[in-house]
Amino acid sequence: DAGVTQSPTHLIKTRGQQVTLRCSPISGHKSVSWYQQVLGQGPQFIFQYYEKEERGRGNFPDRFSARQFPNYSSELNVNALLLGDSALYLCASSTDRANYGYTFGSGTRLTVV
Amino acid sequence: QQQVKQSPQSLIVQKGGIPIINCAYENTAFDYFPWYQQFPGKGPALLIAIRPDVSEKKEGRFTISFNKSAKQFSLHIMDSQPGDSATYFCAASTYLANQAGTALIFGKGTTLSVSS
Repeated sequence: DAGVTQSPTHLIKTRGQQVTLRCSPISGHKSVSWYQQVLGQGPQFIFQYYEKEERGRGNFPDRFSARQFPNYSSELNVNALLLGDSALYLCASSTDRANYGYTFGSGTRLTVV
Repeated sequence: QQQVKQSPQSLIVQKGGIPIINCAYENTAFDYFPWYQQFPGKGPALLIAIRPDVSEKKEGRFTISFNKSAKQFSLHIMDSQPGDSATYFCAASTYLANQAGTALIFGKGTTLSVSS
């Protein structure tokens, strides 16, 4: 079985631009969560989606938004990019809204210049 | 209250040594404590996890010790190998508002280097 797949793997954007990151969960997993990992830090929770509904949001500005599609894949959108948004964006999937046994993807490395 | 404090920040051991990484938390509502291993350029991979009603869990060379009263838990790596060189994160699971979902709160990570 394929693991959690994220695209693109790397991305360079200019300040003020918008970016969309994509995630495909493991087959059968209905929950997708997004995390931001700044270099040298632990991942920080951004969103959880379960059964296509937002279940929670971390302490991130409204520039960050996400959605989950009927096939349980997900997109993370970030508007008006700032230099501080440069990070590794991780997607994790699990079978239900509990995060026991999360599986993370390899992430999308976003660089804002 | 939502923090997980991890120490040390970095650790160097000889091959065969037993590195120990420690974490502490405040929120007694945390109900699941996983450890993740991350290699450069990769996402975190679940290593081992424990619930607060268990004091110790072993999986292969990895052991979690859990002290509920002290609100501390630690990871021990037995017979460490150069291939164990990675960054290790402890985490704690918390329910989100109205228990609609859950999130993991991560420590800041420990970079382990095992020399041969």
